[in-house]
Amino acid sequence: DVKVTQSSRYLVKRTGEKVFLECVQDMDHENMFWYRQDPGLGLRLIYFSYDVKMKEKGDIPEGYSVSREKKERFSLILESASTNQTSMYLCASSLRGGWKEETQYFGPGTRLLVL
Amino acid sequence: SQKIEQNSEALNIQEGKTATLTCNYTNYSPAYLQWYRQDPGRGPVFLLLIRENEKEKRKERLKVTFDTTLKQSLFHITASQPADSATYLCALDGAGGSYIPTFGRGTSLIVHP
Repeated sequence: DVKVTQSSRYLVKRTGEKVFLECVQDMDHENMFWYRQDPGLGLRLIYFSYDVKMKEKGDIPEGYSVSREKKERFSLILESASTNQTSMYLCASSLRGGWKEETQYFGPGTRLLVL
Repeated sequence: SQKIEQNSEALNIQEGKTATLTCNYTNYSPAYLQWYRQDPGRGPVFLLLIRENEKEKRKERLKVTFDTTLKQSLFHITASQPADSATYLCALDGAGGSYIPTFGRGTSLIVHP
């Protein structure tokens, strides 16, 4: 079974702090994704990566950056946290390409509170 | 752009009944459609994938239909149990062959004992 883990389940940070959220997958998947999920807004894609050191902006990249130095690890960085970044953050991975393998495997999520 | 609609109102049903959730989409013809389950405070979990040339797919108590004419998918849970209570998300394959799915906002299912 694919396993996607996230570094923290709950996180409390102060406005202006730099925040790192880490995600690790153990199934050699090419693609990794970061979403945020807010009530009434559903899942919104922040960034994704289709290969090591490659990244693409999603729908809401402002205020975020990402890093993928190793295939299994994808980090989300909030350069200067703000209260409107309080949210549930979800990491996902999927096997690249192919007709059958577009399923996304999600981590347990990190609930971030910015005070 | 493609749009996915799921009923935002929670579906309340009695244990043992069949739950039916709806996913409608517009401005797109997906090659496949997926259903995920999400429990409160957790990440979504993949349940079923159905392709455009498949009318129906089953897995245990779950059944998904895909009507490309109506642009609609129905998700059924037969003999529902309180443990089936969760939010169910549908997702279309990405537009233009993209591998990034577009998710609906989900419908909450509450099964009463």
